[in-house]
Order: sequence, then C-alpha cells, then structure tokens
Amino acid sequence: NAGVTQTPKFRVLKTGQSMTLLCAQDMNHEYMYWYRQDPGMGLRLIHYSVGEGTTAKGEVPDGYNVSRLKKQNFLLGLESAAPSQTSVYFCASSYSVTSGYNEQFFGPGTRLTVL
Amino acid sequence: GQQLNQSPQSMFIQEGEDVSMNCTSSSIFNTWLWYKQDPGEGPVLLIALYKAGELTSNGRLTAQFGITRKDSFLNISASIPSDVGIYFCAGTPPSGAGSYQLTFGKGTKLSVIP
Repeated sequence: NAGVTQTPKFRVLKTGQSMTLLCAQDMNHEYMYWYRQDPGMGLRLIHYSVGEGTTAKGEVPDGYNVSRLKKQNFLLGLESAAPSQTSVYFCASSYSVTSGYNEQFFGPGTRLTVL
Repeated sequence: GQQLNQSPQSMFIQEGEDVSMNCTSSSIFNTWLWYKQDPGEGPVLLIALYKAGELTSNGRLTAQFGITRKDSFLNISASIPSDVGIYFCAGTPPSGAGSYQLTFGKGTKLSVIP
C-alpha cells in the first residue's frame, strides 16, 4: 500500500515549457487535490476533483490545468511555465466527504523550478 | 476566504520540554486537523478532531477542538529531537459548498535543542 505517490520528484523548466505532474493513489479515494507550497504562504489549493471525470478550481488555479481520467490518478499540467510557478507541489487525496470529515493524505511533493 | 491564524510562527525549546501551539479562525469549523511536515517531505496527519470540546491524544501529542469551534490547540509533551518540523493546523468549514476543502494555517516551525 504505497498511499499517495507523485512523479517526478524534481524538475527544472525553462520559461514557456510545458510539463505534467502525475499523482497516483491506491486507497480508492474519491477526492483528490493539488496544492502548491511557497515560503510564508502555507499550502494553497490549485485544483481539486470530487470524482473520476470531474475537476474544479481552487484558490490559485491560473496557469494550471488538471485531468482525472481514472479514479486513482490526478494530473496537473503547466502549459507555459512561468518563474512564478516555481514552488513545491503536493497532491493529496481523501475519502468521500460526509458532514465535514475530510482527512487528506499527502504525497511526498514535486519540487519545480522555472528559470 | 477563510483564514487561520496559527501561533507561534516558530519556537525553540530544550529537549524534554512541553510545547503548545494554537490555531484560531474568525469563522467556525466542523473539523480540525493537525499535520506535521518534515523537511523535504509531505505533510503527515497527526490528529483529527470532529466535535467541539473533543480532546484527542496520539502518543505524546494532544489536541483539542475549541468549544466555540473557532480554535484548536496542539500540545507535545516531553519533546524529543525527532519532533523537529513544521506543524500545520487545518480546518473544514460547515457542510455545503467548500466543505471538502481544507483551509491551512501557515505553520509553526519547531526546533528542539538537545
């Protein structure tokens, strides 16, 4: 049982390049999330998904796209990377949410640098 | 959006001392969660609280859900070097739109001096 895994762990991009971050979970969770973590800013939600085939915007969605074609996978895409997207990206997942129960389990993170 | 005020921002303590940190909000939450993040790793869930007034322990860690539902605190007893890291509080608003989203505090960075 690997929990939440993320690939790659590190990546360096040049401005304007594109890339996709992959998140996978083996806990049969319905909900999946993408966050970015910047110094002094805490964790901020980029996009989330409440089930296969559905996605929604979070707090800071601009410049990112996501897809959830399979329940266990959640992809985060950067179409044209900018230096402001240099950050650590975390994926998380949780069971279906009932009455506010929302224990999220996090992956190890992807460190992205955009030059 | 909702914001969580977490304090202190950082603390240095001697090994063996007890630690206390808290989180407050201007609005009520249905759930309070406490996470720990080690350097270079993702946050790990420590304790989850679901009812106002609830007091829950996990080894040397104890957390409480405030009666007003607008605050929570985390205590660590007899600190050890491996307690070093950043502790985050997180909360879920009442059911409805956004109830599946967590709002995070900005973290308390704990350093333990041997």
